[in-house]
Amino acid sequence: AQSVAQPEDQVNVAEGNPLTVKCTYSVSGNPYLFWYVQYPNRGLQFLLKYITGDNLVKGSYGFEAEFNKSQTSFHLKKPSALVSDSALYFCAVLDSGGYQKVTFGIGTKLQVIP
Amino acid sequence: NAGVTQTPKFQVLKTGQSMTLQCAQDMNHNSMYWYRQDPGMGLRLIYYSASEGTTDKGEVPNGYNVSRLNKREFSLRLESAAPSQTSVYFCASSVGDRDSGNTIYFGEGSWLTVV
Repeated sequence: AQSVAQPEDQVNVAEGNPLTVKCTYSVSGNPYLFWYVQYPNRGLQFLLKYITGDNLVKGSYGFEAEFNKSQTSFHLKKPSALVSDSALYFCAVLDSGGYQKVTFGIGTKLQVIP
Repeated sequence: NAGVTQTPKFQVLKTGQSMTLQCAQDMNHNSMYWYRQDPGMGLRLIYYSASEGTTDKGEVPNGYNVSRLNKREFSLRLESAAPSQTSVYFCASSVGDRDSGNTIYFGEGSWLTVV
């Protein structure tokens, strides 16, 4: 069975500093990996995904994520955090060899402090 | 282009009442999903429809039924609401093509309270 873990309930970072939101995964085959963002009282918005190819994936709003197969990780990063980045971030995984159902993590709340 | 539209946005039900959450997508997607979101639990899949004419149970299907009315519409029904079904419900859709990564697109959510 596929699974994804987000080990931090909350991440606090000062505005202008780099940010990292962590994610690790478990699949039996090759993973498809996703990051979504949720602003208060809104639906989830797709940020970026990794299917194959370059381990560094660039997405919306200046976010990027690095796929590390040996560490089974897919951490979300941004070089300089904005207050408007404060939101709930979800990592998700799909086993490329399994069903098409995507499994989501429980989410990490990012708080960017002015 | 509206994407995924779900109604109602907010609903309060009494225990035992029934209701249907409606969802429609205009992206010509094959697959549609219903999730619930609860604090500390993340997103849990209730039911999904891989393609028009098919539906399958997800992680937490008990107490719910679904109908894939056509390619655009996928409704979720609570036959006899219980307080444990108080949650935020999200409808979503995707192309359904695993090779392209099957990116899922979400609606804005429906806040349901059962008293």
